[in-house]
Parts: sequence; structure tokens; C-alpha cells
Amino acid sequence: RKEVEQDPGPFNVPEGATVAFNCTYSNSASQSFFWYRQDCRKEPKLLMSVYSSGNEDGRFTAQLNRASQYISLLIRDSKLSDSATYLCVVNSPYNNNDMRFGAGTRLTVKP
Amino acid sequence: EPEVTQTPSHQVTQMGQEVILRCVPISNHLYFYWYRQILGQKVEFLVSFYNNEISEKSEIFDDQFSVERPDGSNFTLKIRSTKLEDSAMYFCASSGQGGSNQPQHFGDGTRLSIL
Repeated sequence: RKEVEQDPGPFNVPEGATVAFNCTYSNSASQSFFWYRQDCRKEPKLLMSVYSSGNEDGRFTAQLNRASQYISLLIRDSKLSDSATYLCVVNSPYNNNDMRFGAGTRLTVKP
Repeated sequence: EPEVTQTPSHQVTQMGQEVILRCVPISNHLYFYWYRQILGQKVEFLVSFYNNEISEKSEIFDDQFSVERPDGSNFTLKIRSTKLEDSAMYFCASSGQGGSNQPQHFGDGTRLSIL
């Protein structure tokens, strides 16, 4: 099983749609979880951390289910500028400071 | 907002040559990382560095690779005897105190092309 596994995508949605991405991680010892976004040929940029109780930042909501080792990202009212690849990132079970990336889910928001 | 800077933005090198990729992490950060991303593939962890030593390295980070923090600001990745398959985008990242709860901040990468 891959350390971090994401929906393969791509997701093509109209502006204003709500879209959800899923991610599973293999090791229950992982403690830190993040969503990053990556634009084409650019560096990953932090979108939000994911907290145990779930957290929201504007149109973005992140959820964590430790029992199922599952993380989600919900984007409401999609904008054209949300088009990017969304990366699920989980800290390494071997060294808490090291991160493992999912392969990413590509989102295209269309007018 | 402070940022991680990387140079050069693009490096073209003949196979077999050595390259040094340079990074200036955010000034008060303590943890430093190198990742690579082959075109169309996922971001892959190479190495982490803390307190002037490697704290973890992946299987990719073999004897061909080395890292160094030669002074108080730079963090370098050296690749000896480059191979065609080393062609990728290389990202440097840094994070602050607080361990894994601190997100990593990425530089905008060096595109390495091996000919």
C-alpha cells in the first residue's frame, strides 16, 4: 500500500461547484497532515493544515478521520483560480519532520 | 513574507558532470529538505537536514548525492556524476521549530536538465 494515496482525478467542474478530494495514509503513527496546491511547473504551496477536529479556511474545509486514516478537502463555490493539483501531505512515520506526498489530484474549474 | 530562494532556476548539464543546487532557507528555520519531482510525477522526498546533519534520507538519496550547509544561510544539494534520469525539478524546503506540526515552505525550484 502506498504511504499516501489520493483520488487519481482529474476533476473537471463548473465554476461555483462543490468538489471533494480524498486521501488515505498507510501508517497510523503519522501525526501531521496538510493540503498543498501545486500549479503547473510551480512549487507546492501550503493550502492548509489539517487538524483532528476538522478546520475551515474560507471556502476550504479539511477533515481528518484517524480511525480510517483518511483525510478530505472540500472546496465550495469553486473559482477558476482554484484550478491546480492538490497534494495530500502526511508526515513520515519514521521521522516526524519528514513529509510524504500523495501523487496529487488535478482540478480544473471551467467557466 | 519571507521565502525560500533557490538558484539557479534552470541548470543544463552534460551527463557525468557534477552539479550543485543552491537554496537559501527562511532565516529562522531549523529544518531543511530537498525534494525532487520528475516531470508528470509526484513530489519525492530526498533528504532532511537538522542541526548540521542529515536526519533522514530516502532510497533515492544514494552516494551520488550529498548536502551541505556551508554557512549560516545556504543549503546545497550536490549531485555527482549526473545521469539522464536525474533530470527533474528539485525543490528545497524549510520549516521552523515545533517539529512536524510546522508546515514546510518550498522554494520555486531548480529545473535540472541532463543532456
